Amino acid sequence: DTAVSQTPKYLVTQMGNDKSIKCEQNLGHDTMYWYKQDSKKFLKIMFSYNNKELIINETVPNRFSPKSPDKAHLNLHINSLELGDSAVYFCASSQAQGRNTIYFGEGSWLTVV
Amino acid sequence: AQSVAQPEDQVNVAEGNPLTVKCTYSVSGNPYLFWYVQYPNRGLQFLLKYITGDNLVKGSYGFEAEFNKSQTSFHLKKPSALVSDSALYFCAVRGLSGYSSASKIIFGSGTRLSIRP
Repeated sequence: DTAVSQTPKYLVTQMGNDKSIKCEQNLGHDTMYWYKQDSKKFLKIMFSYNNKELIINETVPNRFSPKSPDKAHLNLHINSLELGDSAVYFCASSQAQGRNTIYFGEGSWLTVV
Repeated sequence: AQSVAQPEDQVNVAEGNPLTVKCTYSVSGNPYLFWYVQYPNRGLQFLLKYITGDNLVKGSYGFEAEFNKSQTSFHLKKPSALVSDSALYFCAVRGLSGYSSASKIIFGSGTRLSIRP
């Protein structure tokens, strides 16, 4: 059974479009994250939610809006897509305590053309 | 501010030889340290972590890592490399300053490990 699942895995879309990536975890964790991995494989946190509340919001354009309907789901909506948004987006989850491991989904490859 | 450095972009090792992937960190307070592996077109998989206790931590796939507080290092090691170990490896650190739900994991830039037959 997949612990952290995200859809779609691949997404090709035109500039200016709006798209969403969905994420669900069945680990019973109370904290979820979105990470972005760029073309150089550098991994950076974008957002983190704890029990549906936003607790980390890095310097991300406000075209990116996360939504957490419950603590098992964290979706990422992106408005007015730009070429520079092309990347791999990883959803992840953990328990809130610092010693706990973060578990990652398989990634969503977004290509903006 | 916490940070983590992986000084080598690529490490090349012959199959059967020992391997080391280096990681150094900077954090206030006691660190929580992690290693992850990423295979092509896949997500990050957890390998091992150091929280407290024994400085030598054993993890998945025969990997281990040694925490060295004086050198602020957490190098990943394996006694005998396999071709299937070829992948991208990430070191990560999570700073501890009391419980904080807003503490976050910072990842290094990654090291590509290539094992030749």
